[in-house]
Amino acid sequence: ETGVTQTPRHLVMGMTNKKSLKCEQHLGHNAMYWYKQSAKKPLELMFVYNFKEQTENNSVPSRFSPECPNSSHLFLHLHTLQPEDSALYLCASSQVSGMGSYNSPLHFGNGTRLTVT
Amino acid sequence: AQSVTQLDSHVSVSEGTPVLLRCNYSSSYSPSLFWYVQHPNKGLQLLLKYTSAATLVKGINGFEAEFKKSETSFHLTKPSAHMSDAAEYFCVVSGTGGFKTIFGAGTRLFVKA
Repeated sequence: ETGVTQTPRHLVMGMTNKKSLKCEQHLGHNAMYWYKQSAKKPLELMFVYNFKEQTENNSVPSRFSPECPNSSHLFLHLHTLQPEDSALYLCASSQVSGMGSYNSPLHFGNGTRLTVT
Repeated sequence: AQSVTQLDSHVSVSEGTPVLLRCNYSSSYSPSLFWYVQHPNKGLQLLLKYTSAATLVKGINGFEAEFKKSETSFHLTKPSAHMSDAAEYFCVVSGTGGFKTIFGAGTRLFVKA
């Protein structure tokens, strides 16, 4: 059983809908991440949160809005998406050292398969 | 700057034969290196990690990887493939001083009966 839980597992939404993806980690980690995995493309980092503060925003369109209310929960709010946003969205967590080193392994959830119609 | 290259997009082996998945990296300093595996409709799972303690790293499910600094390689091997090893494998390099984790493009492993 994974220590990182993502809900829902599958989501179908229209381009005008608003929905949210949820991620919860039970590992006591202090950093959380959103990745996008599309068919035949490398894994794309979207956002990084360290101690609830966003430290990376990898030029993600504003129709994706992350929220990290505490170090255990991470949300991805979706609004006015495009068909090309259909993908597997993966959440991960890790423990970042006091020196700001991200060398610890990432622990991934099973993802949310998003289809935009 | 860091980068990672997985030399094969697909590898096909027969069950019971050895597995070799190749990974080359580039890093300005001593990197941490990882291999992850992803089964269909699942997230990525850590197979093994190198952090300079030993050049030969043993992981889960019989996999191991050898760090070769002179060749800037971190190839993943397994002596005998099992059907359950069929999955996608990712080589990852990470550094210090901020978020510098880079994923390779992945290698899809097929195992034939």
